[in-house]
Amino acid sequence: KQEVTQIPAALSVPEGENLVLNCSFTDSAIYNLQWFRQDPGKGLTSLLLIQSSQREQTSGRLNASLDKSSGRSTLYIAASQPGDSATYLCAVKRDTNAGKSTFGDGTTLTVKP
Amino acid sequence: NAGVTQTPKFQVLKTGQSMTLQCAQDMNHNSMYWYRQDPGMGLRLIYYSASEGTTDKGEVPNGYNVSRLNKREFSLRLESAAPSQTSVYFCASSRLAEYEQYFGPGTRLTVT
Repeated sequence: KQEVTQIPAALSVPEGENLVLNCSFTDSAIYNLQWFRQDPGKGLTSLLLIQSSQREQTSGRLNASLDKSSGRSTLYIAASQPGDSATYLCAVKRDTNAGKSTFGDGTTLTVKP
Repeated sequence: NAGVTQTPKFQVLKTGQSMTLQCAQDMNHNSMYWYRQDPGMGLRLIYYSASEGTTDKGEVPNGYNVSRLNKREFSLRLESAAPSQTSVYFCASSRLAEYEQYFGPGTRLTVT
């Protein structure tokens, strides 16, 4: 059974700092990995999707990497801002059944002004 | 483009009552999903529909039924609500099962 772990559960940084969020998964047979952000009381907003054949994806200040063989993905946020404060979740899709996703519990990020 | 919409936003039920959560998407997506989110348990897949006319169980389907009414709409029914079904329910859609998922704003359900 696929298990997805995000460590740390919470992170607090000063504004302007570059930071890395981690996502680990136990079964490397994945189709893709997606990063989301969730603001309190809201739905999930898609940030980046990495297909299993890709090593990284970039969008603005965000860069996500994927190392399938080691079961790891990282989300790099450059020059963090208070507006980046949210919970960040990763989700992996199994390649045998692309309909089913497994989510991590998320990392709650606080960026202090 | 409204994206993925869900109704209602909030609902309180008594144990044993039934209700249907509605979800619609206007992105012409083929695949739709229902998740529940609980503190300490993360997001868990209840049911999904890879395409119109098909549905499949996810990780926690017991106590729920779904209907893929047409390509746009995917409803989740609780036939006899239980306190263990108190949760936030999210609907999501994607162009195909292996593509990026887009989420609705959620329905906060309390069963007393």
